[in-house]
Amino acid sequence: QLQESGPGLVKPSETLSLTCTVSGDSFTSHNYLWGWIRQTPGKGLEWLGTVSYSGSIDYSPSFQSRITMSVDTSQSQFSLRLSSVTAADTAVYFCASLYFSSGLYYFDFWGQGTLVTVSS
Amino acid sequence: SYVLTQPPSVSVAPGNTARITCDGNNIEDKDVHWYQQKPGQAPVLVIYYDFDRPSGIPERFSGSDSGNTATLTITSVEAGDEADYYCQVWDGNSNRVVFGGGTKLTVL
Repeated sequence: QLQESGPGLVKPSETLSLTCTVSGDSFTSHNYLWGWIRQTPGKGLEWLGTVSYSGSIDYSPSFQSRITMSVDTSQSQFSLRLSSVTAADTAVYFCASLYFSSGLYYFDFWGQGTLVTVSS
Repeated sequence: SYVLTQPPSVSVAPGNTARITCDGNNIEDKDVHWYQQKPGQAPVLVIYYDFDRPSGIPERFSGSDSGNTATLTITSVEAGDEADYYCQVWDGNSNRVVFGGGTKLTVL
C-alpha cells in the first residue's frame, strides 16, 4: 500500500512537498521504482519522475528544472519537491510503485492521491 | 520523445464490445499497459505486457497490438466499465514513463 501526505494548499512561487509512505516489504526490492504522477483537473495522467530505493532518479523533462525526489529507506518513504509552483500545478498527486522486470515497467499499485491547490 | 495518442472518447451500448486504441510509433515493439480510472479514484492496472491481466480483472478485458496501434478490448460491456482508460509504455531510450492522453468510455 502507498499513502501520500503533505499540505493541500501551497502559495504561488513556493515549493510543493509531498511524501509517500510504502507499506510492505517491496520498498527495497530490486524490481521496484517509486513514482510520482499528477492529474490536473479534468486532464490526463502526467508522469513526474521515478526514484529507486538506492536513490537512482529519472525526471520528466517537463519538470527537470524544478523537481527533486528523494528516498528515506529507514522510513520506507519517498518524497517529491516541486519548486516555483503556479496555479497550473494545482492537481491531484499520486504516488505509485513501478514494477520492472525484463524490460517491463508498469505501475501495479497506486496511492489514493492527494489534491494540492496552489493559491494565495 | 515518444508519444501515445488515444481517442478522447468511445461510446458503446451495454453488452456490446468496446475497443480503445493507443497509437505510437512501432508500438508493437513496446510493452503496453492499460489502466482504468473511475471518477475520484486512483488508476487501476487492467492489462500489462500487452495482453496479461492482473488477478481480479475480468476476462472481458483483453489487449493486443499490431504495427503502430495497441488496442484494449472490453467485451460484454457493463455500466460499471464506464471510466477513463489510459495506455502506458516505458521509453527505454530516455528512461521515461509515457502515458496516452486517456479515453473516456461511455456506456450508453
